[in-house]
Amino acid sequence: NAGVTQTPKFQVLKTGQSMTLQCAQDMNHEYMSWYRQDPGMGLRLIHYSVGAGITDQGEVPNGYNVSRSTTEDFPLRLLSAAPSQTSVYFCASSYIAGGGDTQYFGPGTRLTVL
Amino acid sequence: KQEVTQIPAALSVPEGENLVLNCSFTDSAIYNLQWFRQDPGKGLTSLLLIQSSQREQTSGRLNASLDKSSGRSTLYIAASQPGDSATYLCATYGNKLVFGAGTILRVKS
Repeated sequence: NAGVTQTPKFQVLKTGQSMTLQCAQDMNHEYMSWYRQDPGMGLRLIHYSVGAGITDQGEVPNGYNVSRSTTEDFPLRLLSAAPSQTSVYFCASSYIAGGGDTQYFGPGTRLTVL
Repeated sequence: KQEVTQIPAALSVPEGENLVLNCSFTDSAIYNLQWFRQDPGKGLTSLLLIQSSQREQTSGRLNASLDKSSGRSTLYIAASQPGDSATYLCATYGNKLVFGAGTILRVKS
């Protein structure tokens, strides 16, 4: 049981490049979400999904796209990277939607945009 | 809009000391409050989840309390150890999870 996995662990992009952050879970959780963590701030919700084929925006969705074709995978796509997107990105999953249940977090992806 | 504040931002204590971390929130209409631990360069690990109908939860040396009326939660760590050194975050759940910025704890041996 690997839990929540994220790839890559580190990434450096140039402004304007696009890339996809991968997230997968093997716990059969319906709810998955993406957060970004910036120094001195709490985690902020980017996008979330309550099941395969269903996604919605969180607090800071601009510049990011998501899709959920399977229960296991929830990739986050940066369309045209900007320095303001330099951050640590965390994927999380749980049985119950939102925060009504224990959240399981991946190890994070540290992204730098030059 | 819910705001979650954690004080202090950083705390350094000698090994063996009992300590309290504080979390305050502005909107008491929450379903639960959760405490997480984050080690450097790692993801978050759930420690305790307190439902809105509960007053406290305990797990080993950790005890978390919730007072919705005053908008406060505390995480009590008994007999602290160097392995407890980490960042501790609290989060409230109303219609979404809202996180505090965390308290960085260092336990000195």
